[in-house]
Formats: sequence, C-alpha cells, structure tokens
Amino acid sequence: SQTIHQWPATLVQPVGSPLSLECTVEGTSNPNLYWYRQAAGRGLQLLFYSVGIGQISSEVPQNLSASRPQDRQFILSSKKLLLSDSGFYLCAWSRTGITGELFFGEGSRLTVL
Amino acid sequence: GQSLEQPSEVTAVEGAIVQINCTYQTSGFYGLSWYQQHDGGAPTFLSYNALDGLEETGRFSSFLSRSDSYGYLLLQELQMKDSASYFCAVRDSNDYKLSFGAGTTVTVRA
Repeated sequence: SQTIHQWPATLVQPVGSPLSLECTVEGTSNPNLYWYRQAAGRGLQLLFYSVGIGQISSEVPQNLSASRPQDRQFILSSKKLLLSDSGFYLCAWSRTGITGELFFGEGSRLTVL
Repeated sequence: GQSLEQPSEVTAVEGAIVQINCTYQTSGFYGLSWYQQHDGGAPTFLSYNALDGLEETGRFSSFLSRSDSYGYLLLQELQMKDSASYFCAVRDSNDYKLSFGAGTTVTVRA
C-alpha cells in the first residue's frame, strides 16, 4: 500500500530563519507531488507541483522554493521566513496521469514569530 | 486560471440531508473532486466526477453538470462525525494541478 509522510509536524521559527519541510511517498513510483498551504480557516493554496525528478512548477510567487531530488521525495524550503509564511503546509501525491484524487500527508504547522 | 464558489457555512441536525453546491470557472475542465477535512487534520478524498451525473458512495453522493459548470455534494443521514470542512476542487485539462475552493464548514447539531 502507498503511504506519505511529511515532517516536522510542528515548528516555530523566527522571522528571517530558514525552513525545510520534507515529504516522502512509499509504495508507488513516479507520483505527481504537490505542496499546498492553508491559512487558518481558509482553503488550500497550491504552491508547487512536480510531475518528475527536477521538474517543478511554481503557482504563486513566494518566499519559498521546492525541489524534488528523488522520485518520491519533495522538499519545501525558504532562505528567510516572513510572518506571512505561517500556516498549515500539506504535501500530497497523486498517481501518474490526470486524476482528481490526491493523497495528503499529515501536514506541518508552521508558526513564524 | 480557475475560480470556485461554495457556501462558507452550513448547519443541520443529525439525520438531516445537506447539499453543498460548487460552481466553477476554468479555462479547461477535466473533473470535479470533493474532499473532507476535520479540524486540525489533513483533507481526505471523497469523490471525483469527470462525467455528468450522480455518483453515490454510501451516505455521500456527488453530482456534476459540465454544461452548467456546477456540482454538488450531498450528505445524507447526517452524523455528528460529519462535522467538518468540505472542499470542491477542479482539475484543469491542461495540466496536473488541482485547485481548491475556499471550503464549506458543516456543523451537525444533536
């Protein structure tokens, strides 16, 4: 069976500090990978998606970047966090091809102070 | 780009039926999905409609009308555990991204 893990689950970071969130998928190959952000009580904002190693599509100009160094690994990074980066970050995967079903990780709750 | 509209809140009593509507605008449309998210948790997939009509899965059903750019999620025999946020999402036919609506908070009262 397929599983997705992301970490850390919770983190509190000062403004200007770096960020690294990691996500790995097991039990499948060549998944489509996604990073979403959710502000408190709001919808999901697509940040990045990837259809293959080294292929990253950015949806919104951000203080963030994403990388896919391996087939089933997706990393979200920032060199200098802003207060507005606070939120609930969700990694997700879907099967290759066009599908409406995403499988989400447990989420990482980031608070920037 | 895509835009989706759904009601922000719905309140109903246990055993009732709730319909959450979703209208969308997109340059290219492939399908409409529905997700459930409990407070503090991650979204979980409920249903996907690529063709017109009604899809039934237990107490939940989803409907799509491509010509009207409209769909809905029907929650029947409401239970307290159905209290959650529900999101519609559209798949654009031109790429692999899935864009979400702002969500509908469903509150089930005893």
